[in-house]
Amino acid sequence: AQSVTQLGSHVSVSEGALVLLRCNYSSSVPPYLFWYVQYPNQGLQLLLKYTTGATLVKGINGFEAEFKKSETSFHLTKPSAHMSDAAEYFCAVSGGSGGYQKVTFGTGTKLQVIP
Amino acid sequence: DADVTQTPRNRITKTGKRIMLECSQTKGHDRMYWYRQDPGLGLRLIYYSFDVKDINKGEISDGYSVSRQAQAKFSLSLESAIPNQTALYFCATSETGEYYDGYTFGSGTRLTVV
Repeated sequence: AQSVTQLGSHVSVSEGALVLLRCNYSSSVPPYLFWYVQYPNQGLQLLLKYTTGATLVKGINGFEAEFKKSETSFHLTKPSAHMSDAAEYFCAVSGGSGGYQKVTFGTGTKLQVIP
Repeated sequence: DADVTQTPRNRITKTGKRIMLECSQTKGHDRMYWYRQDPGLGLRLIYYSFDVKDINKGEISDGYSVSRQAQAKFSLSLESAIPNQTALYFCATSETGEYYDGYTFGSGTRLTVV
C-alpha cells in the first residue's frame, strides 16, 4: 500500500522568497518519488524525480527536493520564487518492480506568488 | 506538435450521451494511460494499456471503456455520460521498463456533463 500527503492545498509566497511545498509518503517498498507541475490549462509536467542514488535531486526551473527516508518526506524547494512559478504542484509515489507499478498522486498544492 | 495530443480540448455533453475522448502520441511509448482529475482529489487512474493487446482497469473504471487502436492511439469512451463524470481527463504515456520513470501528459480534455 502507498499514499501521499501534501500539506497545504494553497501556499502563498512573496516574489523572491523561499518556496517550500511539503510532501510525505508511505510505501511498503522502496519508493520512487516525483514532483509534477501543472500550469493553468495544461497537463502535468515532470519537475523532478528520485529513484535511487543521491537523495537531493535537482529539477527544472531551479527546483530541488530531498528524499528523507527517516522522515518519509520529499519536500520541494526553490530558493527564490518567481511569478512564473505560480501553478499547482503534485507529489507522486510509485513502488514495486515489474509489470505495472502503481502511481499514487497527492491532492496537489496551488502556489501563489505575490508581487 | 505536442508529444501527446488529446481531442477535444473541451466538450459539453448531455446526460445519457455517448462520448469518446481521443489520445494520440508521438513519443513511441508502448504504455498509455487515462486519468481523471477532480479538484481536491488529485489524479485517479481509469484505464491503462501496456500494448495494443494489453488493457487493464484502473481505480475508477466503472462507466468507462477504452480502445487501443494502435500503439500511438488510445481512446476513452463514456457509454452513457452522467453529471458526476464532469472532470478534467488526461492521457499519459510512459516508457516500458521495470520501474516507472515518469509520465508524459497531454494537455487534457475538460468534459462537462449537463
